[in-house]
This record gives sequence, structure tokens and C-alpha cells, in this order.
Amino acid sequence: NAGVTQTPKFRVLKTGQSMTLLCAQDMNHEYMYWYRQDPGMGLRLIHYSVGEGTTAKGEVPDGYNVSRLKKQNFLLGLESAAPSQTSVYFCASSYATLLGDTQYFGPGTRLTVL
Amino acid sequence: DQQVKQNSPSLSVQEGRISILNCDYTNSMFDYFLWYKKYPAEGPTFLISISSIKDKNEDGRFTVFLNKSAKHLSLHIVPSQPGDSAVYFCAASNTGTASKLTFGTGTRLQVTL
Repeated sequence: NAGVTQTPKFRVLKTGQSMTLLCAQDMNHEYMYWYRQDPGMGLRLIHYSVGEGTTAKGEVPDGYNVSRLKKQNFLLGLESAAPSQTSVYFCASSYATLLGDTQYFGPGTRLTVL
Repeated sequence: DQQVKQNSPSLSVQEGRISILNCDYTNSMFDYFLWYKKYPAEGPTFLISISSIKDKNEDGRFTVFLNKSAKHLSLHIVPSQPGDSAVYFCAASNTGTASKLTFGTGTRLQVTL
């Protein structure tokens, strides 16, 4: 049981390049999320999904796109990377309970945009 | 507008003593609160949670207290151990909204020998 995995772990891009970050979970969770973490700040929600084929915007969605074609995978895309997107990206997943959901996080992807 | 605040960026505690980490929130719609622990170069790890229908939840050395009227929660670690040294994030959500979490900025806990 691997939990939540993220690929790649590190990446360096030049301004204007594109890339896709992959998140996979093997816990059969319905909900999946992408966050970014910047120095001195908490994690901020980029996009999320409540089920296969559905996505929605979070707090900081600009410059990113996502897709959830399979329940276990959630992809985060940067079409034209900018230095402001230098950050650590975390994926998380959760299942719903009556009293609140607990999100489980992947190990993160450190992205540098030059 | 920061809806979840952790006003202490860092805290140093001696091994064996109690660590108290604090968190304040402003959004009265939040009804589920969590604490995550994060080591460098790793993802956040779930530690403990509390629903707004409770005012206390315990799990081993970790206890979370919720004061709804003050919009304040705290995490107590007793006794503190060197392995507890990490960054602790408070997070809050409104159940029924896909459980989107709003995080505080974190408190770095250093447990000294």
C-alpha cells in the first residue's frame, strides 16, 4: 500500500516550458487535491476533484490546469511556466466521512522555474 | 485575509516538557480541524483532528483542544520528544464543501535535550 505518490520529485524548467505533475493514490479515495507551499506560507489549494471526470478551482488556480481521467490519478499541468510558479507541490487524497475528511499527502514535487 | 493563523513561527521546548501549539481561525463556518506534522523534504503527515461537536480529542501523547467561542484551538504534546521536532500546521475545513482545507502558516517546534 503506497498511499499517495507523486512524480517527479524534482524538476527544473525554463520560463515558458510546460510540464505535467502526476499524482497517484491506491486508497480508493474519491477526493483529490493539489496544493502549493511557498516559504513562510501554509499550503494553498490550487485545484481539487470530488470524483473521476470532475475538477474545480481552489484558492490559487491561475496558470494551472488539472485532469482526473481515472479515479486513482490526478494530473496537474503548467502550460507556460513562470518563475512565480517555483514552489513545492503537494498532492493529497481523502474519503468522505460524516464528521470531516482527513487528507493524506504525497511526498511533494519541488519545481524551480528559471 | 488569512482565515487560519498560527502566530508563533517557532517554539523551543525541553525534552519531557509539554509543547503547546496554538491556532486561531476567523471563519465561523469551519467545523473540522486538523493538525499535520511536516518534516523537511516530506509531505505533511496527519496527526490528530477534532470536530466542532467536541472540545477535546486525545491520541496518545497528543491532545487537541477546541474553544469555539474564542475560535481557537491548541495542540498539546506531552511529554515532548526529540522526534517531535518538525513544523506543525493547523488546518480547518467546512464539511460538505469537498473538505477543502485552509492551512495556517505553521509553527516550527524544536525539542531540545
